[in-house]
Amino acid sequence: ETGVTQTPRHLVMGMTNKKSLKCEQHLGHNAMYWYKQSAKKPLELMFVYSLEERVENNSVPSRFSPECPNSSHLFLHLHTLQPEDSALYLCASSQDFQGITEAFFGQGTRLTVV
Amino acid sequence: GQNIDQPTEMTATEGAIVQINCTYQTSGFNGLFWYQQHAGEAPTFLSYNVLDGLEEKGRFSSFLSRSKGYSYLLLKELQMKDSASYLCAVLDSNYQLIWGAGTKLIIKP
Repeated sequence: ETGVTQTPRHLVMGMTNKKSLKCEQHLGHNAMYWYKQSAKKPLELMFVYSLEERVENNSVPSRFSPECPNSSHLFLHLHTLQPEDSALYLCASSQDFQGITEAFFGQGTRLTVV
Repeated sequence: GQNIDQPTEMTATEGAIVQINCTYQTSGFNGLFWYQQHAGEAPTFLSYNVLDGLEEKGRFSSFLSRSKGYSYLLLKELQMKDSASYLCAVLDSNYQLIWGAGTKLIIKP
């Protein structure tokens, strides 16, 4: 248990579906992140939120839409995905968004787009 | 561009010592992290180095040379549970984390 919980753990969706990934942290952290992890590739930072404000958007396609309703919850809304979007999606949190403090990761959602 | 290089895969024997290297070329430097990730699990923090030298934490040690753009993670008295991927990440001048692709460590009895 890392203090960061992601649901669902596994998700299979068609290219026309709409789904959402959920992340929750109980560590009192101010920053939350979405990462994409593909096999044998570096972690790709998708979005960063600090105190519920988005501070980073690394050229992510609009078919991925984040939402941060409060400092403990983070969502990633998915629609019209492509097969190449199949990957492990990791949520993380840290005390601050400047990255000096360690990040705590959730176990990820394994997404398969068919 | 920014780049982090680490070996894709390494194999070692239980009880032995293994060194996992990481070289980096980044715009600025504000520290280097090592994380461990077991298959199907969340990455977990191992170490953070910002000054040159060796930091020791039990069986794990991490070394940094900023002038050489080089770090290594040293694992001693290897155990089967150390089989995992080890991720190197550098915090650049904009405080963005640049990640390596990870080194998969296989421990054999």
